[in-house]
Amino acid sequence: AQRVTQPEKLLSVFKGAPVELKCNYSYSGSPELFWYVQYSRQRLQLLLRHISRESIKGFTADLNKGETSFHLKKPFAQEEDSAMYYCALLPTWPSNTGKLIFGQGTTLQVKP
Amino acid sequence: DTGVSQDPRHKITKRGQNVTFRCDPISEHNRLYWYRQTLGQGPEFLTYFQNEAQLEKSRLLSDRFSAERPKGSFSTLEIQRTEQGDSAMYLCASSPRGGFWDTEAFFGQGTRLTVV
Repeated sequence: AQRVTQPEKLLSVFKGAPVELKCNYSYSGSPELFWYVQYSRQRLQLLLRHISRESIKGFTADLNKGETSFHLKKPFAQEEDSAMYYCALLPTWPSNTGKLIFGQGTTLQVKP
Repeated sequence: DTGVSQDPRHKITKRGQNVTFRCDPISEHNRLYWYRQTLGQGPEFLTYFQNEAQLEKSRLLSDRFSAERPKGSFSTLEIQRTEQGDSAMYLCASSPRGGFWDTEAFFGQGTRLTVV
C-alpha cells in the first residue's frame, strides 16, 4: 500500500526552539518525497524535495529508507514558520504521473 | 497572478443540485490534477490529465463526478446530484511536462464546496 503518515496533528514550540515534523511512508518502490507548506490564507506550495537535498528557509529533510521516514527539521524555529505542513509521496512505478499522496498534515505553531 | 486559478472560490449548493468548478493551470503546463481535501485531512488525488487526455481516475471519483480538459488548457470538474459528503475543498494543480525535476505541483487556491 502507498501511504504517508504524519503522526502529529499539532506541534507547538517556542521561537528559537528546534523543530521536527515527523513523516513516515509506505511504498515498495524507490520513493520520491516532498514537503509542502500552506501558510495562512495562501495556497499550498512546495517547500523542499528529498532529491535535491537542499535547505529551504532553514528546513532540511533526510530520507531514511531503513526507517521509511522523511522528517522535516529546523534548528531554530521562527514565528513566520507557523503554517500547515504536508509530507507527500510521489509514486514512480509503474510510471511517474506526478500524482501525489499526502499525509494528514501537521500544524506548526511557533509561539513568541 | 500568473499561478493556477480556480473559480469560484466558494460555492454553497443544495443537496441534489449539480455544480461545476473551473481550473486554469499555469500556461504551458501539460499536466493537470484535481484533489479533494476534507477537514483535518491532506489532499486526496481525484484525477489527472496530460494535455486533454484523462489518464487516471481515483476510485474516490464516483459516477457523479466528471472532469474534462477539452483543449488541453483549462479544466472543469462537475459534480451531479450533490450530497452532503461532497462538502470539501477542491484543489487543482498543474505541473510541467515530464522530466525528473518537473515534478513540482503548483496549486490553486481551491474551491470550497458546501452542500446544505
